[in-house]
Amino acid sequence: DIQMTQSPSSLSASVGDRVTITCRASQSIISYLNWYQQKPGKAPKLLIYAASSLQSGVPSRFSGSGSGTDFTLTISSLQPEDFATYSCQQSYSTPHTFGQGTKLEIK
Amino acid sequence: QVQLQESGPGLVKPSQTLSLTCTVSGGSISTGSYYWSWIRQPAGKGLEWIGRIYTSGSTNYNPSLKSRVTISVDTSKNQFSLKLSSVTAADTAVFYCAREAPVVYARHYYYYMDVWGKGTMVTVSS
Repeated sequence: DIQMTQSPSSLSASVGDRVTITCRASQSIISYLNWYQQKPGKAPKLLIYAASSLQSGVPSRFSGSGSGTDFTLTISSLQPEDFATYSCQQSYSTPHTFGQGTKLEIK
Repeated sequence: QVQLQESGPGLVKPSQTLSLTCTVSGGSISTGSYYWSWIRQPAGKGLEWIGRIYTSGSTNYNPSLKSRVTISVDTSKNQFSLKLSSVTAADTAVFYCAREAPVVYARHYYYYMDVWGKGTMVTVSS
């Protein structure tokens, strides 16, 4: 299985901050990387697919980059509704493993 | 707008089989190049991919669960199902169903989960 490791595991930030979350794969996954946002008690929501493609309806302050083993999710200017847990997922090979999640909290 | 809804018992006894169904509405489960997937999340923990099924019946399972998991599809009911046998307390989790959709770039298929059910909590306890 491909292991996905996110950093940091948690992060405190303020409204308006620029935030970057990192995801590292245990082997190359080319660009087969997705990002999801999850709020408490809710299902995950797709933000980014294929490493850098923005899902329809997702605000443009979210962006993704990277290829191979190292990927980042960037939120350019945090909004109150962005405080949530973010998870990466590889779809290069099954099982389509997830990272452990990064909890973004209000400072 | 495709929507997914999980259903099934919220309480299962240890050693028994957990059975869940995901009903697809707003579109046909047979249309398009989609996989239909199951994911679970224990309380306070990360997401775990369980497996998926194509409408042809082809399946992929997580090796960590493969000996206990069966995913099936019923196109006449527009549903797909999960069975997890010999459950223990470690299988207690919120279970989600999801659609895996492809985007094709340079003839490569990139899959992502674009539609999710709301999730259903399953507790394994006697």
